[in-house]
Amino acid sequence: DAGVIQSPRHEVTEMGQEVTLRCKPISGHNSLFWYRQTMMRGLELLIYFNNNVPIDDSGMPEDRFSAKMPNASFSTLKIQPSEPRDSAVYFCASSLIIPLKPGRQNYGYTFGSGTRLTVV
Amino acid sequence: DAKTTQPTSMDCAEGRAANLPCNHSTISGNEYVYWYRQIHSQGPQYIIHGLKNNETNEMASLIITEDRKSSTLILPHATLRDTAVYYCIVKRYGSARQLTFGSGTQLTVLP
Repeated sequence: DAGVIQSPRHEVTEMGQEVTLRCKPISGHNSLFWYRQTMMRGLELLIYFNNNVPIDDSGMPEDRFSAKMPNASFSTLKIQPSEPRDSAVYFCASSLIIPLKPGRQNYGYTFGSGTRLTVV
Repeated sequence: DAKTTQPTSMDCAEGRAANLPCNHSTISGNEYVYWYRQIHSQGPQYIIHGLKNNETNEMASLIITEDRKSSTLILPHATLRDTAVYYCIVKRYGSARQLTFGSGTQLTVLP
């Protein structure tokens, strides 16, 4: 298993440009999460999907951010227009979330290697 | 989800056991304790989780007190590659909810 795959690994863009980050979750996982990490704020959840449906996007900073999951094997996080304060490492994670059932447990999240975004 | 309290940093000698404490005094009955770590410039990595019994896997052991208000992650023989930020997270069981990361403990394994 190749794990969670994110692309690109690094992105440098000019302020005002559109940026698209991509994520391929682990096959068979039903939940996908987008996190952002900065020195000041640590790891923050932006949005998460369950069975391709956005469940909670309350962490999305503002309307400039949008995320989609058109199918179980692909998700995008788009920033339009980008600003210097968006510079951060963006992580995608996936997991298999099993509804409450005696004897069953939820498993850990698997994170990708991240995309380091620099907006100049 | 319950909040957690961890020391900001700890050192450990290579080859010795690293014991990382976590307080979660407001944990409720259906919340699990999860541990993750993040090695510099990498994504967080799942280590272990438990409800009330002690757990062990190939990476670590998790000791949860009987009242479940605190836990300890044990790395039995720390190596330099274990230097990382370790996060203790309490998460409700059985729901598609997110992990909320605090500031964690910076563990430095010294040669």
